[in-house]
Amino acid sequence: GDSVTQMEGPVTLSEEACLTINCTYTATGYPSLFWYVQYPGEGLQLLLKATKADDKGSNKGFEATYRKETTSFHLEKGSVQVSDSAVYFCALSLHTGRRALTFGSGTRLQVQP
Amino acid sequence: DGGITQSPKYLFRKEGQNVTLSCEQNLNHDAMYWYRQDPGQGLRLIYYSQIVNDFQKGDIAEGYSVSREKKESFPLTVTSAQKNPTAFYLCASSTGTVLSAKNIQYFGAGTRLSVL
Repeated sequence: GDSVTQMEGPVTLSEEACLTINCTYTATGYPSLFWYVQYPGEGLQLLLKATKADDKGSNKGFEATYRKETTSFHLEKGSVQVSDSAVYFCALSLHTGRRALTFGSGTRLQVQP
Repeated sequence: DGGITQSPKYLFRKEGQNVTLSCEQNLNHDAMYWYRQDPGQGLRLIYYSQIVNDFQKGDIAEGYSVSREKKESFPLTVTSAQKNPTAFYLCASSTGTVLSAKNIQYFGAGTRLSVL
């Protein structure tokens, strides 16, 4: 079945460090890919998205590129801030069948001042 | 402001009791979803509804029930048959089930359910 695999956390970084959170997927078709962010005690917010190969999603300094050849959608940011501390979820959806989101297990990011 | 409202924020269930979690949206979305989140895990789909008066089981529907009598409402009942209900429950909605860059899934703030 369809699945998403994320690197395990927590990831602990100092402020202004570079961030990469790895995400790979398995899907029977050509999915749309998403990164969601969850702040403590809250629901999920869409961070960025990509719908086809080589698309780059970007928002708030975060970027991710849809790599069909490696089935990956790694999240990157050049300089993290304390306010970026949260749990990040990679997710996919197919354009046929059930069409709900399939999530990875989430990666907790802790940014220290 | 448009959005998804989940209530209550915290809920406690006694053994053998059914409890209902509310989810209301004013985004005029056709599709609604219920997910369960356990600590350190991703979200798992419980039920989803593409249109009023229709809903489908997700991956972990056992012990749960839903209804979709109105477009804006999708309540989830956690029945006594659900033996491990302690979790964070998230409701979501989208304009349709063909999720794409133009059709994004929006989430409520969640309900945390605990067993007494």
